[in-house]
Amino acid sequence: DAKTTQPPSMDCAEGRAANLPCNHSTISGNEYVYWYRQIHSQGPQYIIHGLKNNETNEMASLIITEDRKSSTLILPHATLRDTAVYYCIVRVAGQAGTALIFGKGTTLSVSS
Amino acid sequence: EAGVAQSPRYKIIEKRQSVAFWCNPISGHATLYWYQQILGQGPKLLIQFQNNGVVDDSQLPKDRFSAERLKGVDSTLKIQPAKLEDSAVYLCASSSVLEQFFGPGTRLTVL
Repeated sequence: DAKTTQPPSMDCAEGRAANLPCNHSTISGNEYVYWYRQIHSQGPQYIIHGLKNNETNEMASLIITEDRKSSTLILPHATLRDTAVYYCIVRVAGQAGTALIFGKGTTLSVSS
Repeated sequence: EAGVAQSPRYKIIEKRQSVAFWCNPISGHATLYWYQQILGQGPKLLIQFQNNGVVDDSQLPKDRFSAERLKGVDSTLKIQPAKLEDSAVYLCASSSVLEQFFGPGTRLTVL
C-alpha cells in the first residue's frame, strides 16, 4: 500500500501558484519524498525529490515540514499544461532498482 | 537521449485471446519494470528485471501473465488468455541511478 495521503482533486487558476499537499506520517529516516506527475495518455514524469531541506528546480519547489511528516509541492505559476495527476511517493533514494509504489494521487485541474 | 519506447500504443482484443506488449528501455539502463494502471488508480508493479534476471514478480498473475528480457535489453509482456479485468494501461519503465523513466504505455481493452 502507498505510504502517503493526498487529496483526490484540486483546482487552480492559470498563472496562480498551485500548492499540492501530501501526508507521509510514517516516513523513515532514510526515505526521500518524490513527486511524479502523469499527464493524460502519458507515462508518469519525475518532478522533484527531497529528504528534509526544501528543494527547487525548473519545474517546481518542494517544501518539507521539519518533522518530515508532510510536504507541499508548489508550482509557482500554473499553466494549462500542468493539468495532470500528481503523485507523492516515499522511497529510499539511490536505489534506482526500487519499484515505485503509487497511490491514487491528486488530480490538478488548471483553468483559464 | 531517447526515451522508453513501447508498442503497440493501443490494443483491443476479445476475452480469452492472447496479446503481447514490447518495451525498449533507455540505453544502458539495467533495471526494467512493467506496471499495470487500471483506470482511476496509480500504476502497480507487475514485474521488475535487473539485466535479464527477475528481481520481483510477486504481483504478476503467473497463471496468465508472462514476461521476459532475454538479452537484458528489450522486454515483452504477454497475457494468455486475457480477461475483462486485464483492461488497463501497461507501462514500461527503466531506471538510472537517480530516477525512473516511463514509456507512454499500451492501452489494452478486453471486450
